[in-house]
Amino acid sequence: DIQMTQSPASLSASLGETVTIECRASEDIYNGLAWYQQKPGKSPQLLIYNANSLHTGVPSRFSGSGSGTQYSLKINSLQSEDVASYFCQQYYNYPLTFGSGTKLEIK
Amino acid sequence: EVQLVESGGGLVQPGRSLKLSCAASGFTFSNYYMAWVRQAPKKGLEWVATISTSGSRTYYPDSVKGRFTISRDNAKSSLYLQMNSLKSEDTATYYCARLAGSSDYWGQGVMVTVSS
Repeated sequence: DIQMTQSPASLSASLGETVTIECRASEDIYNGLAWYQQKPGKSPQLLIYNANSLHTGVPSRFSGSGSGTQYSLKINSLQSEDVASYFCQQYYNYPLTFGSGTKLEIK
Repeated sequence: EVQLVESGGGLVQPGRSLKLSCAASGFTFSNYYMAWVRQAPKKGLEWVATISTSGSRTYYPDSVKGRFTISRDNAKSSLYLQMNSLKSEDTATYYCARLAGSSDYWGQGVMVTVSS
């Protein structure tokens, strides 16, 4: 199974700041990586797919990058509505696996 | 507009069975793989099952293999999850998700509580 190691587990940042969340796969996943945002009490929403493609309707302040085993999600100009948990997921191979999540708060 | 609406959750005793349903609309259901993903209270996301467009191929993690069965009815645009021999560790919110590589649309989730 491919293990996804996500960091940090929690993050506190100020409005307008730029934050980065990392995900490391235990083997090459060939950009088969997605990032999801989950607001409290809501279902997850897709932000990024194929490591760096923005899903329809997602603000351009979100971006994804990486390759091989190392991937990251960057949020520019942090807004109050970005308070949420963020999860990475590899879909290169079964079983599909998720990172443990990053809880983002506003300082 | 893509919509996925789950139903069938509830409280069930350990060892018993429960069947979840997911009604899809706003897209051609038969063209997409579909999946179930769960989230235990205050925990992360865990993939539970995937089914191919025709239903001929299914995939499960070891944690549910042999106990859970995913199925679909393309004529009714519906996805199902039959859960047998339920355990307390199956307690979670279960989400239905459309697959296009990643899970691009999710339902609102349905809660399953396994407890005596």
